[in-house]
Amino acid sequence: EAQVTQNPRYLITVTGKKLTVTCSQNMNHEYMSWYRQDPGLGLRQIYYSMNVEVTDKGDVPEGYKVSRKEKRNFPLILESPSPNQTSLYFCASRRDPNSPLHFGNGTRLTVT
Amino acid sequence: DQQVKQNSPSLSVQEGRISILNCDYTNSMFDYFLWYKKYPAEGPTFLISISSIKDKNEDGRFTVFLNKSAKHLSLHIVPSQPGDSAVYFCAASAESSGDKLTFGTGTRLAVRP
Repeated sequence: EAQVTQNPRYLITVTGKKLTVTCSQNMNHEYMSWYRQDPGLGLRQIYYSMNVEVTDKGDVPEGYKVSRKEKRNFPLILESPSPNQTSLYFCASRRDPNSPLHFGNGTRLTVT
Repeated sequence: DQQVKQNSPSLSVQEGRISILNCDYTNSMFDYFLWYKKYPAEGPTFLISISSIKDKNEDGRFTVFLNKSAKHLSLHIVPSQPGDSAVYFCAASAESSGDKLTFGTGTRLAVRP
């Protein structure tokens, strides 16, 4: 089954404790990206990657890092999480810019 | 600066009637538009898209209309069904901006039986 898998689904952590949210896709897609969803703000792009070792900032990249060492994986790293990063995070992938995004089921992160 | 706007946070429609969800954008470079549907506890799922070379695209009960001069697109659902109750996001991208996709804030549609 074609899918985007992100883990964990739920994560509660404390300020400053580094964490990684993993994302993997099995569709051989070139393009992968991370979004956060917040009430009243919709989905905002954090980072995107158009190919292995190619990443670029989206609209809200501050406080986040990503890496794309393999085509299928695109982890999101929070080196020093803060409470304003409490949000619902989605990983997504697509074949090319003119094809639709496939989203994972989301990771709900709470930073206390 | 919200480049993609969905000014109606919610919409309630009777089953069997038409649902019309609206989306406005400000960036004239946008040339590809998509609609996504999102149920609670799930990721958004793709519904329908339209390229700027068209003004209408239809897929079953779903039709998207694009008015480039007004920088406006709309999603029509006919007939509406209770299973259509979800949050709908419009999104836009420009060929020149790589994989950057800009979403609206969403409209919650409730279809009453």
